Amino acid sequence: QKEVEQDPGPLSVPEGAIVSLNCTYSNSAFQYFMWYRQYSRKGPELLMYTYSSGNKEDGRFTAQVDKSSKYISLFIRDSQPSVSATYLCAMSPAGNKLTFGGGTRVLVKP
Amino acid sequence: NAGVTQTPKFQVLKTGQSMTLQCAQDMNHNSMYWYRQDPGMGLRLIYYSASEGTTDKGEVPNGYNVSRLNKREFSLRLESAAPSQTSVYFCAGGNYGYTFGSGTRLTVV
Repeated sequence: QKEVEQDPGPLSVPEGAIVSLNCTYSNSAFQYFMWYRQYSRKGPELLMYTYSSGNKEDGRFTAQVDKSSKYISLFIRDSQPSVSATYLCAMSPAGNKLTFGGGTRVLVKP
Repeated sequence: NAGVTQTPKFQVLKTGQSMTLQCAQDMNHNSMYWYRQDPGMGLRLIYYSASEGTTDKGEVPNGYNVSRLNKREFSLRLESAAPSQTSVYFCAGGNYGYTFGSGTRLTVV
């Protein structure tokens, strides 16, 4: 079993809808949680970074961490076609040596 | 300000050939990493370097070696390439959220 599980999708949503992504993990030592966006044939780029449990909002993005359930989420509001990409969750006990989920492919349909 | 630069972008090797993937960063990061990305497997850590002169194995180090030449540069070497090493390789730098390079697509035939 992988340490970090993520549904590969694809997740198809209409333009303007909320995109809901999540990851589950098994290592209770994970304290730092991140979400990356990756466009086709590009390197991942950091979207959100959260330490420990709680919520964090940045523009149209909201990240949630529930350490008691070992579950993290990313919500993307008012999705546009530019939101279409693969989203990767990543986590670490100490902020380095990130362990990644396999990524969820998101398609926003105009 | 280029961030993290990887060369080459594409490479085709024959089984048994060797090559070095180059990575350089201009962000003054102490930590640098090499990952490989395969379909359905996500990003897996090959090697990392916490600081100049130090390197350590990650999850999938077999068949690879690394050199942290200085603070800016961290190279990955394949001594005898195998088809199982066909992948996209990413270099990254930083902590609490990496900056990634644009990747090297390697095919071993």
